[in-house]
Amino acid sequence: GENVEQHPSTLSVQEGDSAVIKCTYSDSASNYFPWYKQELGKRPQLIIDIRSNVGEKKDQRIAVTLNKTAKHFSLHITETQPEDSAVYFCAAGNQAGTALIFGKGTTLSVSS
Amino acid sequence: GAGVSQSPRYKVTKRGQDVALRCDPISGHVSLYWYRQALGQGPEFLTYFNYEAQQDKSGLPNDRFSAERPEGSISTLTIQRTEQRDSAMYRCASSRDRGGTDTQYFGPGTRLTVL
Repeated sequence: GENVEQHPSTLSVQEGDSAVIKCTYSDSASNYFPWYKQELGKRPQLIIDIRSNVGEKKDQRIAVTLNKTAKHFSLHITETQPEDSAVYFCAAGNQAGTALIFGKGTTLSVSS
Repeated sequence: GAGVSQSPRYKVTKRGQDVALRCDPISGHVSLYWYRQALGQGPEFLTYFNYEAQQDKSGLPNDRFSAERPEGSISTLTIQRTEQRDSAMYRCASSRDRGGTDTQYFGPGTRLTVL
């Protein structure tokens, strides 16, 4: 089955810096890669996703890149702000309809 | 519109008791997923439904866990003879379309504590 590895587990940056979180997956059939942000005590919320027919997607300060050959994808947050502090989860899914497989999460701390 | 809701939000039970956790998906959503999330970890898949049909239950830890979605809307996750190791946050999610590539919207979760 699918296995998703996520690094780093914790990340501390200064406000205004960039943050990068990386994930690798094992199942070449995976073709959907969402990223969720979970604030303390809240539910996971989708912030961006990418499908395997594109290599990069951007939404304001957030971008995701995908390298299907290497089976890895990354989340990039630019100009970080304190409100970006949260746990971020990557996940992998596929058209066959099995549920998402999540990484273990990255705790991002942005200090002002 | 209303998002995914779950009830109860908190459940404390004694070891050996049965519990039933309810999930109300977004209206009209075809697929419904159950996950378990340990503190500081990502959601771990348990089972999922397309309409009323259970598609995959490979993530259920053992036969004390079962789920149903009889009318293709509300779902119930039942844990029989609860054990302390069952303590966790149980979350459900729903997606508009079937298939694993549609956005999943998560509910607030049910925090289960087994004493």
